[in-house]
Amino acid sequence: GAGVSQSPRYKVAKRGQDVALRCDPISGHVSLFWYQQALGQGPEFLTYFQNEAQLDKSGLPSDRFFAERPEGSVSTLKIQRTQQEDSAVYLCASSLVVRGDIQYFGAGTRLSVL
Amino acid sequence: GQQLNQSPQSMFIQEGEDVSMNCTSSSIFNTWLWYKQDPGEGPVLLIALYKAGELTSNGRLTAQFGITRKDSFLNISASIPSDVGIYFCAGPTRFGNEKLTFGTGTRLTIIP
Repeated sequence: GAGVSQSPRYKVAKRGQDVALRCDPISGHVSLFWYQQALGQGPEFLTYFQNEAQLDKSGLPSDRFFAERPEGSVSTLKIQRTQQEDSAVYLCASSLVVRGDIQYFGAGTRLSVL
Repeated sequence: GQQLNQSPQSMFIQEGEDVSMNCTSSSIFNTWLWYKQDPGEGPVLLIALYKAGELTSNGRLTAQFGITRKDSFLNISASIPSDVGIYFCAGPTRFGNEKLTFGTGTRLTIIP
């Protein structure tokens, strides 16, 4: 596609539910990033993939958060047993090259945990 | 961890005015990026800076990479309604590392 596509755009979950957020990066982009953006804040790094390899997951806040990119293109961020503090916008970004400082962002998924 | 502080936090200006905002860090950055985020959208890259002292323009936008490598500035000339949004500075956490650290943001509002 022309840009980074994320789905769903909005997700409402009851506390304790599991959720899965999808990211379709720009075709051919090697690097893929997930960020979490709390209300009124800048995005904060969660995890990074180079092709299918997850090279950095230092930003994942707990072991309830899990991300995968099995074929080196589409990625899924899964949050198990959601908590209210997980409510945020989850942004996906992709970059053409390995040193991906020029990152292109999707519109994000707004997660609300009730 | 590293923090990027932006000022001002918010700006209220009239259409046609020039805008200046800055971003400071407690540590050195080798790349500075400026993004704009509209409501309900992801950040969009405006300008990338790679060298200390570099001054780069993109239309009405001009950004500078500070000599100390601990700050950067963004100027918008002759503001128009579509300039409304939140502006973020960002940079790679460390040289050769891919993950970005974002600033606290500057919210720009144009008063009719």
